[in-house]
Amino acid sequence: RKEVEQDPGPFNVPEGATVAFNCTYSNSASQSFFWYRQDCRKEPKLLMSVYSSGNEDGRFTAQLNRASQYISLLIRDSKLSDSATYLCVVTKNYGGATNKLIFGTGTLLAVQP
Amino acid sequence: GAGVSQSPSNKVTEKGKDVELRCDPISGHTALYWYRQSLGQGLEFLIYFQGNSAPDKSGLPSDRFSAERTGGSVSTLTIQRTQQEDSAVYLCASSWPGQYNEQFFGPGTRLTVL
Repeated sequence: RKEVEQDPGPFNVPEGATVAFNCTYSNSASQSFFWYRQDCRKEPKLLMSVYSSGNEDGRFTAQLNRASQYISLLIRDSKLSDSATYLCVVTKNYGGATNKLIFGTGTLLAVQP
Repeated sequence: GAGVSQSPSNKVTEKGKDVELRCDPISGHTALYWYRQSLGQGLEFLIYFQGNSAPDKSGLPSDRFSAERTGGSVSTLTIQRTQQEDSAVYLCASSWPGQYNEQFFGPGTRLTVL
């Protein structure tokens, strides 16, 4: 079983739609959680961190459920420019040493005009 | 300011040759990571450098892979006797230390082994 699992999609949605991505992680020792965005043939870039209390940044809302080991990302009022692959990411901290990112394989979003 | 830079952007090599990939992290970032992304696969951690500490090499897939970081700045990832399965995009990231600090990625080196 992969440490971080995501639905690969693609999610094809019309402009203005609300879309939700889900992600599960297997290691309960995971400590930090993020959503990264990766455009085609580009490097990943941080979209937002995910906190236990949930957090919102404009049209984007992230939620974390530690008990269920589940992370979500909600995008409201989708724009064409939101088309990308969304990567669910968790980290583990090895006794203060490595902070390596564990990536899901990503969910592809295609927003249609 | 300047972001993470990597060179070359593309590298085509023949099976069995050695290759060197370079990463220039953001100035001042003490943490440096190498990842690779194969077609249809997620990003895979390879190696981590933090300051003067011994690197975490736990993600290196074989002893053909090695990396150095000189002077706490520039890093070189070396792949010896390349194989076709080494074909991937190799991404470098840097950050301030700490698990909550954003990792900034370079544009990657696309390696093709023929």
